[in-house]
Amino acid sequence: GQNIDQPTEMTATEGAIVQINCTYQTSGFNGLFWYQQHAGEAPTFLSYNVLDGLEEKGRFSSFLSRSKGYSYLLLKELQMKDSASYLCAVSFYGNNRLTFGKGNQVVVIP
Amino acid sequence: DGGITQSPKYLFRKEGQNVTLSCEQNLNHDAMYWYRQDPGQGLRLIYYSQIVNDFQKGDIAEGYSVSREKKESFPLTVTSAQKNPTAFYLCASSMVTEGNEQFFGPGTRLTVL
Repeated sequence: GQNIDQPTEMTATEGAIVQINCTYQTSGFNGLFWYQQHAGEAPTFLSYNVLDGLEEKGRFSSFLSRSKGYSYLLLKELQMKDSASYLCAVSFYGNNRLTFGKGNQVVVIP
Repeated sequence: DGGITQSPKYLFRKEGQNVTLSCEQNLNHDAMYWYRQDPGQGLRLIYYSQIVNDFQKGDIAEGYSVSREKKESFPLTVTSAQKNPTAFYLCASSMVTEGNEQFFGPGTRLTVL
C-alpha cells in the first residue's frame, strides 16, 4: 500500500518554531503537497515539492528528500492562527490522485 | 469569483435513506474528487473523475455512487448500503496534469440518525 506517516499532535508556544514530519513509500513517488486545515473547514494549499531541497514561503518552509521518502514542514514565528491540522499528501506517477496522511494537529499557546 | 461550492453545510438524514451531496466548481477544472474525513483521520478518497462522463473508484467507494454529466458538477450519493455514513465530506477539483494542487470546497457534515 501507499503508507503516509505523520505524528498526530504537538503543542508549541507563540513565536516558536515547529517542524512537522512526513514519511512515505518512495515507489512511484511524484511529488508532495502540504495543506493546512482549520477545524471544520476545507484544507488550503501551502506548498508543493517535487525536487530535493528546501522551498521557502514566508514563515512556512517545506523540505523534501526523494531518496529517503521524507518531507518536513517548518513553521516559524508561530502565531495563534497557525493552530490547525497540517496534512501531507503524496502524488504518484500514473494518475493525479493524492494519498493523504492523517494530519498533524498543532496547538499554539500564548 | 471562481471557486468550488458544496451544499448544504450540515445535513441530517434518517438511517436507511439515500442522500445526495452537491459539488459545483467554476474553475474550469477537468478533475474532481470526493473525500471522506473522520475524526483523527486524514482524507480518504471515495471517487474521482478526470473527465466528463467518466469516473473511478477511490479507496472507499463501497456504499457511494457518483455521476459526472457536466464538467462543473460532481454530485455524491451516500446510499443506504454505506454502513457508517456519518462523516465530513469534502469535494475538490484540479487541473488534470500532475503536480497541480487540489482546491477544496467548504465541506458537508452529514449526520445519519
